Amino acid sequence: GAVVSQHPSRVICKSGTSVKIECRSLDFQATTMFWYRQFPKQSLMLMATSNEGSKATYEQGVEKDKFLINHASLTLSTLTVTSAHPEDSSFYICSARAPRGGGHQPQHFGDGTRLSIL
Amino acid sequence: GNSVTQMEGPVTLSEEAFLTINCTYTATGYPSLFWYVQYPGEGLQLLLKATKADDKGSNKGFEATYRKETTSFHLEKGSVQVSDSAVYFCALTTGNAGNMLTFGGGTRLMVKP
Repeated sequence: GAVVSQHPSRVICKSGTSVKIECRSLDFQATTMFWYRQFPKQSLMLMATSNEGSKATYEQGVEKDKFLINHASLTLSTLTVTSAHPEDSSFYICSARAPRGGGHQPQHFGDGTRLSIL
Repeated sequence: GNSVTQMEGPVTLSEEAFLTINCTYTATGYPSLFWYVQYPGEGLQLLLKATKADDKGSNKGFEATYRKETTSFHLEKGSVQVSDSAVYFCALTTGNAGNMLTFGGGTRLMVKP
């Protein structure tokens, strides 16, 4: 089945560091990927929709200069948290839509990246 | 707009008990419905889905039926195991914006031996 790989799984770094998270679709092409943020014991909050070859669409309240998204190929989207601060510490999850097969296809999720900013 | 409401947790059950997690939705258009499961420290895994009214999705002993008349998609399992302990998310998509998902708030299930 469709697999989405997310890397790294865990990052611990100092305040002010920029952190890049990769999301890859391993066995299918994904024109659209999604980036979510999840706070402890809460649901997923959609941050942005990543579109291959064009600019990402950000949800209201998400700083596009803070969370840079690049979707340069059909199998890779990256999220860069620029100049990260402790309040950016969270669990970040990406997803990609499964290939066409009729109906509304489900999203497939990466395993998430736990970001801890000291 | 679209929204998903599911029962708040945590839900605590003994092993082999019957499980129901309620999920209701509102949607513009004709949604597809999903249940995802999240184990501690991991991403989300698709558990089951249903794409049209009266469809029953099933997987690993879990079932959910797409009820258009009650706009519901309740998750059930006849006999839970300790390994089912996780957070369960009900979600829908109407196919807009690249099949963007709308999630419920999640329900934490804890199964005790």
